[in-house]
Amino acid sequence: EVVLTQSPATLSLSPGERAALSCRASQNIGSYLAWYQQKPGQAPRLLMYDASNRATGIPARFVGSGSGTDFTLTISSLEPEDFAIYYCQHRYNWPLTFGGGTEVEIK
Amino acid sequence: EVQLLESGGGLAQPGGSLRLSCAASGFTFSSYAMSWVRQAPRKGLEWVSSIIASGDRTYYADSVEGRFTISRDNTKNTLYLQMNSLRADDTAVYYCAKNLGYDWYYFDYWGQGDLVTVSS
Repeated sequence: EVVLTQSPATLSLSPGERAALSCRASQNIGSYLAWYQQKPGQAPRLLMYDASNRATGIPARFVGSGSGTDFTLTISSLEPEDFAIYYCQHRYNWPLTFGGGTEVEIK
Repeated sequence: EVQLLESGGGLAQPGGSLRLSCAASGFTFSSYAMSWVRQAPRKGLEWVSSIIASGDRTYYADSVEGRFTISRDNTKNTLYLQMNSLRADDTAVYYCAKNLGYDWYYFDYWGQGDLVTVSS
C-alpha cells in the first residue's frame, strides 16, 4: 500500500502569503497524484490531478509539481477562501490512499 | 450540471446492514467509473470502493473487503453501496464521487455526503 505523508500538519499564514504543502509517497508513484481542498461541512473539491494539471475552474494561483515520491502544492498568494484542509491522493495502484491532510489556517 | 445525491444513511447496530444509494445526473453515468469515499468524524478521507463504468470490475479497501459491495444500475443512473456486518469504526460520512475519466481514479465531483452511524 502506498502511504502518503503530508507536511506540515498545520500551516499558519496570512492572506497574500505563499503556501507550500508537501506530500511524500512511500514508493515511486510517477505523476499519479491529485490534490483536494476541503472546507468545514463541505465535500472535497478536486484541485490538481496527475501532479500538475489544474482541474476545471481552479485558479492559476494553485500550482502542483513533483513526481516520483515528492510532490508540492503551491498557492502563490493566499486568498481568504483558500484557508481550508488540503489532501493528496494517489491513483498508482490499489488501494487508492489519501494523505492525512494539511490545514492552512489564518495566522 | 453534475449532481450526486446520496441517501440511505442513518443509524445501524453493530453487525447490521445499510444500503447507500447515489442518484447521478448531469453527465453520461454509464461512461464513468464511480467511487465511495468516507470520512470518520474529525478525521481524514478514506477511499472505500470503486466500480468501473460497465460495472464488471470492482475494487475495495482492505477495511471493507468482504463486508461491503459496490454496484451500479446504469439504466437508473444510480450507484449503490451495500454495507453488511457493520462495525463502530464504519461510522463516517460517506461520499459518492464521480471519477475524472473512464479509467482515471481521481474524483472530480462529490455528493454532499450521507452520515452512517454504527452504534448500539
